Amino acid sequence: EAGVAQSPRYKIIEKRQSVAFWCNPISGHATLYWYQQILGQGPKLLIQFQNNGVVDDSQLPKDRFSAERLKGVDSTLKIQPAKLEDSAVYLCASSLLGSGSLADTQYFGPGTRLTVL
Amino acid sequence: AQTVTQSQPEMSVQEAETVTLSCTYDTSESDYYLFWYKQPPSRQMILVIRQEAYKQQNATENRFSVNFQKAAKSFSLKISDSQLGDAAMYFCAYNQGGKLIFGQGTELSVKP
Repeated sequence: EAGVAQSPRYKIIEKRQSVAFWCNPISGHATLYWYQQILGQGPKLLIQFQNNGVVDDSQLPKDRFSAERLKGVDSTLKIQPAKLEDSAVYLCASSLLGSGSLADTQYFGPGTRLTVL
Repeated sequence: AQTVTQSQPEMSVQEAETVTLSCTYDTSESDYYLFWYKQPPSRQMILVIRQEAYKQQNATENRFSVNFQKAAKSFSLKISDSQLGDAAMYFCAYNQGGKLIFGQGTELSVKP
């Protein structure tokens, strides 16, 4: 079974530029998550989708971050314009069951390391 | 709000020895799941073990086991017969309505 795929693996941009990350979840997984992991910290949820609807985006800085999950499969996370503090690893995860299920196990992709100069 | 605390930023263990990583959490819920994830330098988070709060029996997966103390809100991970490949960041996590709340992580090094 293929895992969660993410691209690119690394990205370096100047501040105020825009960047986009792509995620392909495990086939059949209903729920998709984007996490931000700043160096030395645990991941923090940015946005959670169930199928193509947003379940939780309370921690997403909506003035500069946007995300979509078209057709309930792949997802794209965009930052425009980027700030220095956006330097982090962006992790995508997916899970089989619907959101709110306590037993649901999340499977993570390899992440994208973003450096903003 | 639920919080997860890992008080050991770094731990070290000799190969073949046993090490215990600590985690405490705060919640007012009665049923929940707790997880330990491993993050090697490749950055991919890998599930190590999970525990349902309603189950009194501690979860075990091969060399990995937990000591779950619900009243104390403690969830420690024990790694037996440590191997070089166990070296990684370990994160404790709590499932809050489908989203994971992570601790700060413990970096484990394994000495040959």
